[in-house]
Amino acid sequence: QAAVTQEPSLTVSPGGTVTFTCGSSSGGVTTGHFPYWFQQKPGQAPRTLIWDTTNKQSWTPARFSGSLLGGKAVLTLSGALPEDEADYFCLLSFGGTYMFGGGTKLTVL
Amino acid sequence: EVQLVQSGAEVKKPGESLKISCKGSGFSFTSYWIGWVRQMPGRGLEWMGIIYPGASDTRYSPSFQGQVTISADTSIDTAYLQWTTLMASDSGIYYCTFGSPRPLAWGQGTLVTVSP
Repeated sequence: QAAVTQEPSLTVSPGGTVTFTCGSSSGGVTTGHFPYWFQQKPGQAPRTLIWDTTNKQSWTPARFSGSLLGGKAVLTLSGALPEDEADYFCLLSFGGTYMFGGGTKLTVL
Repeated sequence: EVQLVQSGAEVKKPGESLKISCKGSGFSFTSYWIGWVRQMPGRGLEWMGIIYPGASDTRYSPSFQGQVTISADTSIDTAYLQWTTLMASDSGIYYCTFGSPRPLAWGQGTLVTVSP
């Protein structure tokens, strides 16, 4: 069974830009993996930020964007705010089943 | 507005059975997928499985196949996650999700504690 890889932690300065990546141990990530991105703050349920690689939910701030780069799914946060400090998870589809990455803890400092 | 409201926290003993629920509103319950996700204390998210209530089509993660049962009652727009024999390792927060089929919205979570 494939594993989904994410950076364990990232740090960004307020106003800075940070890139999260989501990879697959079974090969490059493509649009066919339908990458999703989720944000989870302490004590809260996750919420969906990005679906099918690039699409945003109505509540997704414009500073977040999704893409593919170098065989990985990418979540870019441009202009980080203190309120963006949270855990970020990706989800990939593998032929009808799904797998989350281990998550990335973002510190805004 | 899509809403998923889950049942309250549960405290159980190993060996007991349990069924938690997730009531959907704001969408056609039979036309979307309802999923379940586990989060163990201090850990990441684990995809457990999904159900399409309109056809009772159910899919499980290999890690959870045979360990839990996912079902739905379309007459009351409610999905369920069920255990017949709980273990301490089943402790965690369980989230239901709404999607097509991947998660677009999430319930508030149900905390399950299994302890002797």
